[in-house]
Amino acid sequence: GAVVSQHPSWVICKSGTSVKIECRSLDFQATTMFWYRQFPKQSLMLMATSNEGSKATYEQGVEKDKFLINHASLTLSTLTVTSAHPEDSSFYICSADRGRETQYFGPGTRLLVL
Amino acid sequence: AQSVAQPEDQVNVAEGNPLTVKCTYSVSGNPYLFWYVQYPNRGLQFLLKYITGDNLVKGSYGFEAEFNKSQTSFHLKKPSALVSDSALYFCAVRVPNDYKLSFGAGTTVTVRA
Repeated sequence: GAVVSQHPSWVICKSGTSVKIECRSLDFQATTMFWYRQFPKQSLMLMATSNEGSKATYEQGVEKDKFLINHASLTLSTLTVTSAHPEDSSFYICSADRGRETQYFGPGTRLLVL
Repeated sequence: AQSVAQPEDQVNVAEGNPLTVKCTYSVSGNPYLFWYVQYPNRGLQFLLKYITGDNLVKGSYGFEAEFNKSQTSFHLKKPSALVSDSALYFCAVRVPNDYKLSFGAGTTVTVRA
């Protein structure tokens, strides 16, 4: 149990377009999900905390208008990178909190903005 | 504030030898401690956790970790390493009333055949 999926696994887009990434908890419900960004050979940087049915909480320095988060159900959270630019290219990973105890992570989405 | 330190960027061991990946933490209050492993271009896989109870916790793939409160450590161990254990390992900590995890910088483990 405790499987989290992400879609797409990788995406290439042109500068100025928007990209949506989905995060799903497949076999459990998650009131809280998290979105992270990871640069090569570095640790994870928390971007925002997503709570079902309410607005996301963004970490300091993360532009909420650029990284739109929606947590419409207990099994789905989405991250939309709006007007993407090359500097937004990164590896985005989501996680879902199970039982208010353990975070389980998705496989990640590689975004390349040309 | 909570933080995690993984003092070694890299750990190299021969297959069949014991593997240890070090982690120390700093929190106010009782810690929830976690180990995750990441393979190239993949997300993090949960290995094990310490919440309460026995200081020695056993997890996936033969890994175990010992919670040491006096030394504020939570080192990851495996008695006999496999080449397939080569990956990036992250230690993480949180406190009971906060869902946010604080991650260490990660330790790259290389197991040579």
